[in-house]
Amino acid sequence: SAVISQKPSRDICQRGTSLTIQCQVDSQVTMMFWYRQQPGQSLTLIATANQGSEATYESGFVIDKFPISRPNLTFSTLTVSNMSPEDSSIYLCSVRIAPYEQYFGPGTRLTVT
Amino acid sequence: QKEVEQNSGPLSVPEGAIASLNCTYSDRVSQSFFWYRQYSGKSPELIMSIYSNGDKEDGRFTAQLNKASQYVSLLIRDSQPSDSATYLCAVGGGLSGGYQKVTFGTGTKLQVIP
Repeated sequence: SAVISQKPSRDICQRGTSLTIQCQVDSQVTMMFWYRQQPGQSLTLIATANQGSEATYESGFVIDKFPISRPNLTFSTLTVSNMSPEDSSIYLCSVRIAPYEQYFGPGTRLTVT
Repeated sequence: QKEVEQNSGPLSVPEGAIASLNCTYSDRVSQSFFWYRQYSGKSPELIMSIYSNGDKEDGRFTAQLNKASQYVSLLIRDSQPSDSATYLCAVGGGLSGGYQKVTFGTGTKLQVIP
């Protein structure tokens, strides 16, 4: 398995601002993912972030709104830009340990007012 | 048709009973199957993985896979109130996403009644 930490654990932000969420893993992993989970809903994949390449975004998510960095094999950031109340959600970092097992960070609870 | 389907529940079982959670998937060439447990307000926790047909047991949990029927289940024996959570089924290694994608179901909420 892997130990994953996220910062911040929660935040309340104003409309129109941006928030950067950090994800740190205790071991080197190739594949990292960012998910969003709204209350009572299942997981929605935002993008896949592999080190050394551009992030791959899922349908409905764009780089201008959710820029991602992956500078090394243990770290990634997700920025939620120009936030609106609709962005209020839990954002989860996930890593894949071979072959397909995925582990999740504790999440960042974002509220946009 | 959803790629991974689960009954949303809630599934209510008395303490000490067997809880049976079911999941069907649409991608016939899927290779890997997982069950996650998610407590309210927490992130998903991987509890079982299964890759071949049959049963896999780990403590009170048994995962069952039937690739011919495209069906995977999770049995929880001697259910405890602490098992009350949402259980997510996840399927990976299929054709969707170039064999890399893991698709999550919407989850089944389990309530264990003391």
